[in-house]
Amino acid sequence: EPEVTQTPSHQVTQMGQEVILRCVPISNHLYFYWYRQILGQKVEFLVSFYNNEISEKSEIFDDQFSVERPDGSNFTLKIRSTKLEDSAMYFCASRGAYSNQPQHFGDGTRLSIL
Amino acid sequence: GESVGLHLPTLSVQEGDNSIINCAYSNSASDYFIWYKQESGKGPQFIIDIRSNMDKRQGQRVTVLLNKTVKHLSLQIAATQPGDSAVYFCADALSQGGKLIFGQGTELSVKP
Repeated sequence: EPEVTQTPSHQVTQMGQEVILRCVPISNHLYFYWYRQILGQKVEFLVSFYNNEISEKSEIFDDQFSVERPDGSNFTLKIRSTKLEDSAMYFCASRGAYSNQPQHFGDGTRLSIL
Repeated sequence: GESVGLHLPTLSVQEGDNSIINCAYSNSASDYFIWYKQESGKGPQFIIDIRSNMDKRQGQRVTVLLNKTVKHLSLQIAATQPGDSAVYFCADALSQGGKLIFGQGTELSVKP
């Protein structure tokens, strides 16, 4: 069964450094998402991406965050200058063409900011 | 703003019993809901979904019930097994673009 893959599984970065989290969505999916989950809390929406542009973003997704689909397979989340409070699990998800299709999630990248 | 909430943060059941996990939502315009299972160290795994034109949907050992009148949905797991131990989230797909609003999660523990 096709799946969403994310790399790396764990990223440790110094505060203030840039970090790029990578995702390979399911190949025929058209909608792409990033979510984050702070330890012990619920999953929170960050951004959705469709047709090579952001379609919706949350208030968490400020100017320090950006997303890109640099080629036909990868979808990346960049945090420009990391803060301690960016420490969380970051999940990528993708979905097919229709709004009543479920999103499928990767296993996440654990981001630890020191 | 929109919110999705679960009634109980933890649920402990005996192996073989049925489990019921509940969820409430606030937006009466919501029309698509998804249940996810999250095991430790993994991402949310799709279990079952339901559209608002249905009040019940069944899968393999799982059933989702939707009551639009009181804005409540539940996940029923039949003959619960140790492998069902995980955190269960309901999610509300609010917009055309599919942004998901997750509930807090219920941690299901299955005692052998």
